Formats: sequence, structure tokens, C-alpha cells
Amino acid sequence: AQKVTQAQTEISVVEKEDVTLDCVYETRDTTYYLFWYKQPPSGELVFLIRRNSFDEQNEISGRYSWNFQKSTSSFNFTITASQVVDSAVYFCALSMNPYNQGGKLIFGQGTELSVKP
Amino acid sequence: NAGVTQTPKFQVLKTGQSMTLQCAQDMNHEYMSWYRQDPGMGLRLIHYSVGAGITDQGEVPNGYNVSRSTTEDFPLRLLSAAPSQTSVYFCASSYFGGSNTEAFFGQGTRLTVV
Repeated sequence: AQKVTQAQTEISVVEKEDVTLDCVYETRDTTYYLFWYKQPPSGELVFLIRRNSFDEQNEISGRYSWNFQKSTSSFNFTITASQVVDSAVYFCALSMNPYNQGGKLIFGQGTELSVKP
Repeated sequence: NAGVTQTPKFQVLKTGQSMTLQCAQDMNHEYMSWYRQDPGMGLRLIHYSVGAGITDQGEVPNGYNVSRSTTEDFPLRLLSAAPSQTSVYFCASSYFGGSNTEAFFGQGTRLTVV
């Protein structure tokens, strides 16, 4: 069965601290896709990144970076020098269909990040 | 550039009432889906559609009906609301058959059943 686990329910940091959000996934498929979404207090879901199972390169986008390790089935998300605007719920998600990568997403429980000034 | 539009944004229902949550997208996406978000459980797939006239069940379909008569619209119907259906509902759409695609989500509908 496929599953995504975000063991950290809530994280609280002080502004400018670095913070890592953990995501562990389970699937027997060799082709799969991993996503991170951000849900700010306003409630919408904002796409952050997609990674396919064949690409284990880490990615950096500004203060955001992602570490994908197939050996440990993890796709962790790090925010460097956190800011108050980073306060949100972050979801990790998994899909298996190469023809519908954005469909039938399996979500983790979400991690609520609170960045205090 | 509207993207995915959900209406209403908020709704209160009495137990046993019926209603339809509306979802429309203007990106010509084949795939559309409905999720519900509950505390501590992330988002769970209710129903999905890979094109007009084609729908299928997701992880938590009981108590919900869907139909897809056009590419643009994918309404979710609650025939007899129950308190267990109190949740935030998200509609999503994405390309089907393409690579490097992600789901685009609507703003959500917060439903309370009393």
C-alpha cells in the first residue's frame, strides 16, 4: 500500500532559524512522483515542488531546498533563515501514475510550521 | 486567469439536507478530483474524473456523488448531509497524459453539518 508520513505535527521556530520538515513515503512502484504543497493561513494550497523517482538530485530554490533519498524513502524540505511568512501547514504528497502525475495524490498528515518574530 | 473556482466558500447544513459543491476550471484539464481535509489526516481523495462522462471513487467516497458532463465542471453532491461530513473540501485539476504536471487546487469550501 502507498502511504506518506509526516511525523512532525507541529514545529515552532524563531525567525532566521533553519527548519527541516520530514516526509517519508511508502510505495512498491518504481515510478512515482513526490510533491510539496504549502497551505498558508488563508487556506489555499500552493504548489512548491515536484520530483520524480528517477531524479535524486537535490534542489534549491531561494531559501527552500529539498533532499530526496530513495535509500531511506524520504523527501525532506528545508527552509533556511525562516521568516514569519513561512508560517503555514506543509503537505508532502505522492502519486504513481506517469500519465497523471498530479492526480490521485496521497497526502501526508501535514506539518504546521509556526515562525515567531 | 481564474484557475480552479469553488463555490460556495462557506456553508452550514442541517443533518439530512442536500447540497452541491461547485467546481469549475478554465485550464482545459482532463483530470479533476475532490478531496476532503480533516485535522491530522491531510487530504483524502473522494472522487475523481479523467474526462467528461468518466468518474471513479477515491479513498472516501461514501455519502458523496459526482458527475462530469463537461470538461470544465465537476460538482460534488451530498445527498443527505451528516455531521461526519463536516470538513474542508478541495477541488483540483491537472493535465492527463502530460509530463511534469501538478495539481491545481481551488480555494476550498468549508462545510459544517449541524
